[in-house]
Amino acid sequence: EIVMTQSPATLSVSPGERATLSCRASQSVSSNLAWYQQKPGQAPRLLIYGASTRATGIPARFSGSGSGTEFTLTISSLQSEDFAVYYCQQYNNWPLWTFGQGTKVEIK
Amino acid sequence: QVQLVQSGAEVKKPGASVKVSCKASGYTFTSYGISWVRQAPGQGLEWMGWISAYNGNTNYAQKLQGRVTMTTDTSTSTAYMELRSLRSDDTAVYYCARVGSYSNYFDYWGQGTLVTVSS
Repeated sequence: EIVMTQSPATLSVSPGERATLSCRASQSVSSNLAWYQQKPGQAPRLLIYGASTRATGIPARFSGSGSGTEFTLTISSLQSEDFAVYYCQQYNNWPLWTFGQGTKVEIK
Repeated sequence: QVQLVQSGAEVKKPGASVKVSCKASGYTFTSYGISWVRQAPGQGLEWMGWISAYNGNTNYAQKLQGRVTMTTDTSTSTAYMELRSLRSDDTAVYYCARVGSYSNYFDYWGQGTLVTVSS
């Protein structure tokens, strides 16, 4: 099983600042990496797929990068609606998927 | 527009079974798969399994093998997830999510179904 490890567990950021979230895979997943955002009481929402492609309707302040085992999600200027939990997910090992444990982005 | 609408909350006793439904609309059901993901209170996302709506092929997470069954009814564009021999640690919100045939990420999600296991 491919293990996905996210860091940090919690990120405290002021509105308007940049947030950088990391995700590491225990073995290469190529670019088969997605990021999801989850707000309290809501289902997860797809943000990024293919490591760097924004999903439909996702603002340009969200960007993804990386390949192989190291990935980054960057939120360039945090808005109030961006405070949430973010999960990475590998889908290289289809039909077996794994999620990271999540990074909570909270208001500093 | 694509929608996945799940059945309502359930309360079950330990040892019982639960069956959650996920009705799809707004796309060709058999052109995609459905994965099920659960989230225990205050915890992260756990992938449970996947079913192809095209041919019924399935793949389940190792830890749930033998307790979970995923099915589809193509006549109603509905996917089902049945979990048996429920334990207290199965208490969670259960989500269905659409999976592309070639894309393999989860692009649309249901609203979630809370399953509570309690004596």
